[in-house]
Amino acid sequence: AQSVAQPEDQVNVAEGNPLTVKCTYSVSGNPYLFWYVQYPNRGLQFLLKYITGDNLVKGSYGFEAEFNKSQTSFHLKKPSALVSDSALYFCAVRARHIPTFGRGTSLIVHP
Amino acid sequence: ETGVTQSPTHLIKTRGQQVTLRCSSQSGHNTVSWYQQALGQGPQFIFQYYREEENGRGNFPPRFSGLQFPNYSSELNVNALELDDSALYLCASSTDREEATQYFGPGTRLTVL
Repeated sequence: AQSVAQPEDQVNVAEGNPLTVKCTYSVSGNPYLFWYVQYPNRGLQFLLKYITGDNLVKGSYGFEAEFNKSQTSFHLKKPSALVSDSALYFCAVRARHIPTFGRGTSLIVHP
Repeated sequence: ETGVTQSPTHLIKTRGQQVTLRCSSQSGHNTVSWYQQALGQGPQFIFQYYREEENGRGNFPPRFSGLQFPNYSSELNVNALELDDSALYLCASSTDREEATQYFGPGTRLTVL
């Protein structure tokens, strides 16, 4: 069975500092990996995905993620955090038409 | 905002009742997936429909059922509601390729009393 782990329930970072939200996964075969963001009482918004090719994926709002096959990780990063980045972030893996989401990480960016 | 819409926005039901939630796909999308998101949790995959057939299902009992219509809109039906069914129900549309991005609607908040 496939699984996704987001080991941190909450990440706190000061505005202007780099941020990292961690994600590791377990799946048979080659995975498709996704990051979504959710604002309060809203649906999920797509940020970026890894399909194949370059391990560094660039997405919306200045976010990027690095696929690491040996460590089965897909950490989300941003060089300089904004207060408006504060939200709930979900990592997801998709294999054989079954998507699995992590529990989510609450990102809080302090002014 | 995505082109995915869901109705109703909020719903309150009592235990044992039945509920139907609706979703309209984004233009050009032929696949719809439904998710249950309990408070403080990530979305849990219920099932996926492609060309009016269910082609993927998560670990949910048969009282969770669905339909997809020729215009690719979809319904989620839940029978014999239980208190634990209280959650945000999300619909997502996409093309049928496995690597396709899913675009989510705003969700329906279901409360079971």
